[in-house]
Amino acid sequence: SQKIEQNSEALNIQEGKTATLTCNYTNYSPAYLQWYRQDPGRGPVFLLLIRENEKEKRKERLKVTFDTTLKQSLFHITASQPADSATYLCALDPWGNDMRFGAGTRLTVKP
Amino acid sequence: DAGVIQSPRHEVTEMGQEVTLRCKPISGHNSLFWYRQTMMRGLELLIYFNNNVPIDDSGMPEDRFSAKMPNASFSTLKIQPSEPRDSAVYFCASSNRDRVFAGELFFGEGSRLTVL
Repeated sequence: SQKIEQNSEALNIQEGKTATLTCNYTNYSPAYLQWYRQDPGRGPVFLLLIRENEKEKRKERLKVTFDTTLKQSLFHITASQPADSATYLCALDPWGNDMRFGAGTRLTVKP
Repeated sequence: DAGVIQSPRHEVTEMGQEVTLRCKPISGHNSLFWYRQTMMRGLELLIYFNNNVPIDDSGMPEDRFSAKMPNASFSTLKIQPSEPRDSAVYFCASSNRDRVFAGELFFGEGSRLTVL
């Protein structure tokens, strides 16, 4: 069956460090992979999209990698800040059709 | 643009009652998604529409759930009869998507449903 696994339920890091979140999938052939941020009591908000033929994408302090051989995406936040504390969700996107989400990783950045 | 608008934001009802959740997508978007979020199961896709047509409803839990999109600016998710296990936050999201362009999803603030 198709699975999307975000390896850590929770990740605690110190301010200024780099946070690395993992998204693994099985039995999928996504054309795109997207990352979202969700704050408590709010809907998810889009952060980054990466295509299957792209290895890496950057946006300010965010970096996403996509390895279709390993079936894995890594999401990095460099120079993390307490304001980055939130739940981060990856979503798989098979050619513009449905979008299915992982369970999310709750990131806490401590001052 | 006001974004995706969902109503009600909170609903408390008793088991057996009918519940209707409403969604107004962003104008011009061609796709609409309904998700359900719980601590145990995360964000689950229930159904999505493209150009007002239901494309995949395989995530709808059972016949008690139904969704409609009568026009491009309105969708409903109905639960009849409701059960305590339906308690969750229900999100609506809209997007511009097709097989060439994978637009991101814009989510509403959700409808928190509690069934007693």
